[in-house]
Parts: sequence; C-alpha cells; structure tokens
Amino acid sequence: AQKITQTQPGMFVQEKEAVTLDCTYDTSDPSYGLFWYKQPSSGEMIFLIYQGSYDQQNATEGRYSLNFQKARKSANLVISASQLGDSAMYFCAMRELGGSYIPTFGRGTSLIVHP
Amino acid sequence: NAGVTQTPKFQVLKTGQSMTLQCAQDMNHEYMSWYRQDPGMGLRLIHYSVGAGITDQGEVPNGYNVSRSTTEDFPLRLLSAAPSQTSVYFCASSILEGSNSPLHFGNGTRLTVT
Repeated sequence: AQKITQTQPGMFVQEKEAVTLDCTYDTSDPSYGLFWYKQPSSGEMIFLIYQGSYDQQNATEGRYSLNFQKARKSANLVISASQLGDSAMYFCAMRELGGSYIPTFGRGTSLIVHP
Repeated sequence: NAGVTQTPKFQVLKTGQSMTLQCAQDMNHEYMSWYRQDPGMGLRLIHYSVGAGITDQGEVPNGYNVSRSTTEDFPLRLLSAAPSQTSVYFCASSILEGSNSPLHFGNGTRLTVT
C-alpha cells in the first residue's frame, strides 16, 4: 500500500491565483516529517517546505504553506499568488522518525500556471 | 558549497554494457541514496546507505549494485544494462537523525539503454 498518495496527476491554475496540491499519507509512527519538493522542467529537485508531526502550527515559507490536518492524515501544499515559474512537478514525501528514516515519495502532481 | 555532485548528466549505453554513476557529497551526511524517476511512477528507491560500509536495498534494487567506502561517495553500478533501466537517476543525501532533515539532491543523470 502506498504510504504517500497524490491524487492529482495534473493541475491548472491562472497566474496570481492560489492553488492547493493534495497529499495524504499513511503511517502508524507518531513521529514523522512531511516534505514538499518542486521539480521544474530543468529537472533538479528543490526542497520547498517541511511539517513535523508534532508541530502545532502549519508551516509557511514565503508563498508556500502546508495545510496540515493530522487526524485526516493530509498535508496539502498551498501556493498563493501563482507565478509562471511555479509550473513544475511537485512531490510530497514523508520520513518516519521511528522507522528507518527512509523517505517515501508520492507520484507527484504536475502544475501548469496559465498567464 | 558543492552539495551533491552527480556525474555524468547524460549517458547512452548499449544493452549488456556496464557503467558506474558517481555521487559525492561534501556535507558530511550519513544518509545517501539512489532513486530512479520514471513517468507517472514518482521517485523509487534503488539502494541506500546510513554510513560508510553500510548499504541496503530499496524498492527496486535488481540490476544495480552500490558500495559506500567513504562518507562522501556512493557510486551506483549497473552490471549489465537493460532497456528497462532507461530512466532518470538521482542521488540524494541527508542528515540521518531527526525527521526534519530534507534530502539534498544531485542534478540527475538521464540514462538511455538501447
């Protein structure tokens, strides 16, 4: 069974609008971390944002925020005021502290920002 | 800072040939790993290491070997290339302790096996 599920293979958004990319996860470990990475068309993997399982507040990094709903096991990425440069693949990942520390990735969501 | 250095960027092999993808990091990270990325499949773990002299298999290890003789280097060897190994390969490293350590990625190797 997949530990990380990204149900949106592709998303489209108008420039300057906000967009939410979904991520649900499955773990029985009480201590874990959730990560989002961006992969632009140039191919490199860029770390965007982190949320710890014990963090009381949702993580924010500039225009990126993480909508963390622990009971629902979801960690959705919200990008506010989309820019053309946000067009990329986005991957959600989880790392379990009590396990082997091996990160598990979702299959990704392709985001296209229209002008 | 160099971070994670991965070479080569591109490689074309014939079926049956062998090659080594190089990966080096200068951040003293204990954890190093190799992923392959195929369309629609996300990132799949091939092999990983939690320190020098320690390696283990990931989700898709068949056809690949690794070794970790130093903290810095983690090469990936394809013993006898097959068309099914056509993919983009990423090396990644991180601090081992703590769940808040993101992976630092190399720039990837695009491998084509004909």
